[in-house]
Amino acid sequence: KNEVEQSPQNLTAQEGEFITINCSYSVGISALHWLQQHPGGGIVSLFMLSSGKKKHGRLIATINIQEKHSSLHITASHPRDSAVYICAVRWNNDMRFGAGTRLTVKP
Amino acid sequence: NAGVTQTPKFRILKIGQSMTLQCAQDMNHNYMYWYRQDPGMGLKLIYYSVGAGITDKGEVPNGYNVSRSTTEDFPLRLELAAPSQTSVYFCASSYSSQGMETQYFGPGTRLLVL
Repeated sequence: KNEVEQSPQNLTAQEGEFITINCSYSVGISALHWLQQHPGGGIVSLFMLSSGKKKHGRLIATINIQEKHSSLHITASHPRDSAVYICAVRWNNDMRFGAGTRLTVKP
Repeated sequence: NAGVTQTPKFRILKIGQSMTLQCAQDMNHNYMYWYRQDPGMGLKLIYYSVGAGITDKGEVPNGYNVSRSTTEDFPLRLELAAPSQTSVYFCASSYSSQGMETQYFGPGTRLLVL
């Protein structure tokens, strides 16, 4: 069983829609990361969370430590948001990753 | 700053050959990582380093070796390449400040073992 589970695996949205991607984990963690992998393969770090909520532009990330759950929200989605979004947890010095959520935003 | 650089971009190896994947960062980060990403699968941590001279195993270290003689460089060595090592390899570096960490990823090396 993977320590990090993401849902949905694939998501298609119309431009302007509000997007939610979920991440659940089964181990005690010190931090959770959200990453974005572009269609060309490049990976960019979006957020690191250890508690609460963070916002950067149209992206919002939340974490509930007690429920071992995090969500990534995208407001007013745009075709340029199309990418794979990856949840990763830091577990001691190890890092464990979800399989990713492939988001396609159609104009 | 160049950030995190990786060479080569793409390589084909024959079974049993060896090679070194190069990774360098110019941001003076203490932490460096090697990950592999198999098609349709999540990233997996191979090895990491918390500073020059210090390395440790991640989730999938078998078949690989690393060294960290300088802060800047973190090469990954494949001995006796096997088809199971066909993957995309990402190097990353990070710093921590006030409990916050940001990882910076290299562009990846695509390796095909035939």
